[in-house]
Amino acid sequence: TQLLEQSPQFLSIQEGENLTVYCNSSSVFSSLQWYRQEPGEGPVLLVTVVTGGEVKKLKRLTFQFGDARKDSSLHITAAQPGDTGLYLCAVLNNDMRFGAGTRLTVKP
Amino acid sequence: DTGVSQNPRHKITKRGQNVTFRCDPISEHNRLYWYRQTLGQGPEFLTYFQNEAQLEKSRLLSDRFSAERPKGSFSTLEIQRTEQGDSAMYLCASSLIRGVNTEAFFGQGTRLTVV
Repeated sequence: TQLLEQSPQFLSIQEGENLTVYCNSSSVFSSLQWYRQEPGEGPVLLVTVVTGGEVKKLKRLTFQFGDARKDSSLHITAAQPGDTGLYLCAVLNNDMRFGAGTRLTVKP
Repeated sequence: DTGVSQNPRHKITKRGQNVTFRCDPISEHNRLYWYRQTLGQGPEFLTYFQNEAQLEKSRLLSDRFSAERPKGSFSTLEIQRTEQGDSAMYLCASSLIRGVNTEAFFGQGTRLTVV
C-alpha cells in the first residue's frame, strides 16, 4: 500500500481548462510538499503546506492542505502547455517519500 | 554550478555486470537521498544518509545494492550482478534539514539500462 495515493494517474486536457489533482493518505503529516518533474529532469519543489486547511497560491496554482492534514489538492487555473509534467506529492519524516504522481498533459 | 550532480547520466550494461553511480550533493547539505524511478512512477525511496551515516535502507535495496558516503560529501551507489529489472532512473537528492521547510534538491539522475 502506497503511503501517498495520487489521483488521477493521468490527465490530458486542453489549454485554458482548469484541473484539480489529489494526494491522499490515511496518515497524518506535519507537512506535505508538491514537486513537479519534467522529462529528463529531477523533481523541483513547488510548495510546502504545513497547517491544516492552509491554502497557498503560486501564480495559477492553488495548493490546499486538508483540515486533518491527511490529504492535499493542487488546482491549476487556465492550464498552459508549459504546465505539462509529473506532479508529485511528498512527505518528509526522517526520509522523504513520494506518491506515484499525476502525469499532466496540456494540449495547445 | 552548485546544484546536485550525478554521473554518469546514462549507463548501459550487460546483465551480471557491476555498476557504480556517483552523486555530488550541494556542498553544505547534510542529508543525501537515493531514489529509483521507473517510467510513469514517482521516485521510490532507496536509502538516505545524514552526513556519512546511512540511517535507513528500503526493503527495495537488496543485498546487491550498496551505498556509501565516506566523508559525508559525495555518495556512490553500487549495483552488483545487475538484472534487467534494475533498469530505471536512479535519482540522488540532497537537503539541509530545516524542519518542515526542508527542501530536497535533485540531480538529473543516472539512467541505467541492463541488456
